[in-house]
Amino acid sequence: GEDVEQSLFLSVREGDSSVINCTYTDSSSTYLYWYKQEPGAGLQLLTYIFSNMDMKQDQRLTVLLNKKDKHLSLRIADTQTGDSAIYFCALGGSQGNLIFGKGTKLSVKP
Amino acid sequence: NAGVTQTPKFQVLKTGQSMTLQCAQDMNHNSMYWYRQDPGMGLRLIYYSASEGTTDKGEVPNGYNVSRLNKREFSLRLESAAPSQTSVYFCASSRDREGAEAFFGQGTRLTVV
Repeated sequence: GEDVEQSLFLSVREGDSSVINCTYTDSSSTYLYWYKQEPGAGLQLLTYIFSNMDMKQDQRLTVLLNKKDKHLSLRIADTQTGDSAIYFCALGGSQGNLIFGKGTKLSVKP
Repeated sequence: NAGVTQTPKFQVLKTGQSMTLQCAQDMNHNSMYWYRQDPGMGLRLIYYSASEGTTDKGEVPNGYNVSRLNKREFSLRLESAAPSQTSVYFCASSRDREGAEAFFGQGTRLTVV
């Protein structure tokens, strides 16, 4: 089945850029997503990219998709302490659900 | 603008007890899902429902049952709770089955002792 891999932790200083990486095995998903989970809360959609795009920019967020290497990344510019959260990469699964990576915990130090 | 509402938010059960987690969405979505989230495991699909009246097993269905009561509501039942079912449970809904954006509830933190 589909496998989605992410590194578990990332620590950056406030004001720096954060890059969260994701690799996957199945490339049939129409959309690829980034979700954000703040402590004690559910997941919220942060951004997404259509599978025929290479890049999408949305304010401080840049999503890069390399379909050949099956690699998705999320760049957060000028990272703030409020960006501290767990970030999940997700792809569409064969059952119509989303298949999630294990999540990357982003810690932002002042 | 409620979105997806889950109840309860917290629950402690003794081994062998039963309970039902409730979920309702007000976005007129066809598809609804139950996930569990465990440390280091990400989110794993328990059951899903592509439309009213249909349900299907996900990755980890053992020990659970579901009911799609109507288009709005999708409940998850634990008939005989086990400590391995200690987890955070999330309900989600989406417009259709094609990996569309999913909207999540706030989660139910369940502890089985």
